[in-house]
Amino acid sequence: QVRLVESGGGLVKPGGSLRLSCAASGFSFSDYYMNWVRQAPGRGLEWVSYISSSGSTIYYPDSVKGRFTISRDNAKKTLYLQMNSLRVEDTAVYYCAREGVTPFLDYWGQGTVVTVSS
Amino acid sequence: QSALTQPASVSESPGQSITISCTGTSADIGAYNYVSWYQHHPGKAPKLIIYGVTNRPFGVSNRFSGSKSGNTASLTISGLQPEDEADYYCSSWTTSDTLVYVFGSGTKVTVL
Repeated sequence: QVRLVESGGGLVKPGGSLRLSCAASGFSFSDYYMNWVRQAPGRGLEWVSYISSSGSTIYYPDSVKGRFTISRDNAKKTLYLQMNSLRVEDTAVYYCAREGVTPFLDYWGQGTVVTVSS
Repeated sequence: QSALTQPASVSESPGQSITISCTGTSADIGAYNYVSWYQHHPGKAPKLIIYGVTNRPFGVSNRFSGSKSGNTASLTISGLQPEDEADYYCSSWTTSDTLVYVFGSGTKVTVL
């Protein structure tokens, strides 16, 4: 069955960096677009980044553009999110999610917690 | 970025029906039939329950149904059950050049 497992979260000081990973299994990872979505404490879901199956097309919202970098290693079936210049407001649970045939997110991981605090 | 607008909470008794609205703009909900809905039990992975406005993934109960009119989408849950108590989020593809997906603000459903 489809499985997405995030890792790499933790406590980091403002201005610091973290690299999140999402290990995929149960499907042909290289055929699917992937996304990162986050949920800050007490807040709703916020889309964070998108990457095409080959990695050639990438999008970010303004809130993370220039600070976050999404990438993927199709041979390792792993999605990444490099987060630099972290801010307190980046504190959230970060989910990786697979994109379906049309724009919707059909499978999600359980999430990894990122806390940015001094 | 502006989130899609949902009511903060909805409460109803078991067996009853509820409808959750999701209001966007002509750049998102009004532009595409790419509205999806997610059920989220805290601490668990969000679950897709509706995609393409009206479609249910395999295995999702037919008590869940979706619709759209203009810039507003709706999720109806009929025959409410205790396990339906969760947060529900709508989402849409968007024409904005800085966003791919926009999510709703979320609705907490309480089964009384």
